[in-house]
Amino acid sequence: ENVLTQSPGTLSLSPGDRATLSCRASQSLSSSYLAWYQQKPGQAPRLLLYASSSRATGIPDRFSGTGSGTEFTLTISRLEPEDFAVYYCQQYGASPRFGGGTKVEIK
Amino acid sequence: QVQLVQSGADVKKPGDSLKVSCKTSGYTFSDFYIHWVRQAPGQGLEWLGWIKPNGGGTSYAQKFQGTITMTRDTSINTAYLELSSLQSDDSAMYFCARGAYNSGKTHFDFWGQGTLVTVSS
Repeated sequence: ENVLTQSPGTLSLSPGDRATLSCRASQSLSSSYLAWYQQKPGQAPRLLLYASSSRATGIPDRFSGTGSGTEFTLTISRLEPEDFAVYYCQQYGASPRFGGGTKVEIK
Repeated sequence: QVQLVQSGADVKKPGDSLKVSCKTSGYTFSDFYIHWVRQAPGQGLEWLGWIKPNGGGTSYAQKFQGTITMTRDTSINTAYLELSSLQSDDSAMYFCARGAYNSGKTHFDFWGQGTLVTVSS
């Protein structure tokens, strides 16, 4: 099974800062099968990016994704107040799996 | 617009069974897989499996084989997740989500609001 490890566990930043979130796979993963989600307290996850770097409908361009093989990154170029949340990466091969999440909190 | 609306919260005793529903609208139900994901309190997301509405084929995460059953009723565009022999560690928020393409290997583009299941004696 392909385990996803996200780091850091918590990121303490200020509005306007750049956020860089990492997702590492235990086995090489096609970039076509990597997604990122945002989850706020009491809400369902929301799709941000799929196929590693394609933004979902309505997602602002301050969210971007890169990566291949076993290393993937979600970057938020300038944090807005509404961006403080938990972020999950997901591989969606034969048996979908999520990373443990990174919480982006206000410093 | 695409919507997935789940049944309400429920409290069960250990050993009970539970069926959660996910009523869809705004798209052709048979064209997209439905996945189920759960989230224990304060924890991350855990994929349970999918059902293909066209035909009813299923795929379950190995951990849950034998304890979950996914079904659907195409006449009312609704998917179901049945949980059997509930234990306290099954207490979680259960989400349904639509697979973005007509395949089990796809990201999830729309989600239900979640159903809170509490298992307590």
